[in-house]
Amino acid sequence: ETVLTQSPLFLAVTPGEPASISCGSRQSLLHSNGYTYLDWYLQKPGQSPQPLIFMGSHRASGVPDRFSGSGSGTDFTLKISRVEAEDVGVYYCMQALQIPPTFGQGTRLEIK
Amino acid sequence: ITLKESGPALVKPTETLTLTCSFSGFSLKTDSVGVGWLRQPPGKAPECLGIIYWNDNKRYSPSLENRLTITMDTSKDQVVLTMTNVDPVDTATYYCAHTGTPFGGAISRSFDRWGQGTLVTVSS
Repeated sequence: ETVLTQSPLFLAVTPGEPASISCGSRQSLLHSNGYTYLDWYLQKPGQSPQPLIFMGSHRASGVPDRFSGSGSGTDFTLKISRVEAEDVGVYYCMQALQIPPTFGQGTRLEIK
Repeated sequence: ITLKESGPALVKPTETLTLTCSFSGFSLKTDSVGVGWLRQPPGKAPECLGIIYWNDNKRYSPSLENRLTITMDTSKDQVVLTMTNVDPVDTATYYCAHTGTPFGGAISRSFDRWGQGTLVTVSS
């Protein structure tokens, strides 16, 4: 099983300020097809997780461009350029190179 | 694309849990498409239990494989999860989700649509 480690586990951010979450894997998530199978999800309070970023850096449909994903191999980052109140919730990374996919432990983001 | 989970809210220990995922907006007969079952205990991260694909290929979580069965009924647009010998630690919100959207010559393995989830409590 591929273990993912997120940091920090908790983040308090002032609206308008940037935020960054890291996700590390013990194994490379690079597929032979050249794509990296690392996704990011946001679970807002009381809701199902929703996709933000897939294959490392591609924004899911309808996701604002203030969200971006980067990284390669074993180290990945989700960045929010300017945090808004609606961004509160728990952020998860998920690897899908190995099936079934596995998730990081989550990072809770709150607004200051 | 929409998905919706249904099944019992309360199950006794040692019983078998059966959940149904009813979906619309896609077909499980389409190449690359899959439906995953995931669960999330209160306050914890999601866990993928398994995925069934358009060609009836199935992949299960190694730690739960001997207790899980996932089947599909393409005529009804449903996927069924069966979990045997449940225990209180299986208490969680159970989700089904769509996967397998083509992207850039490859197939995304992202869960790009999720159901609303159904809370299952295992207790005597």
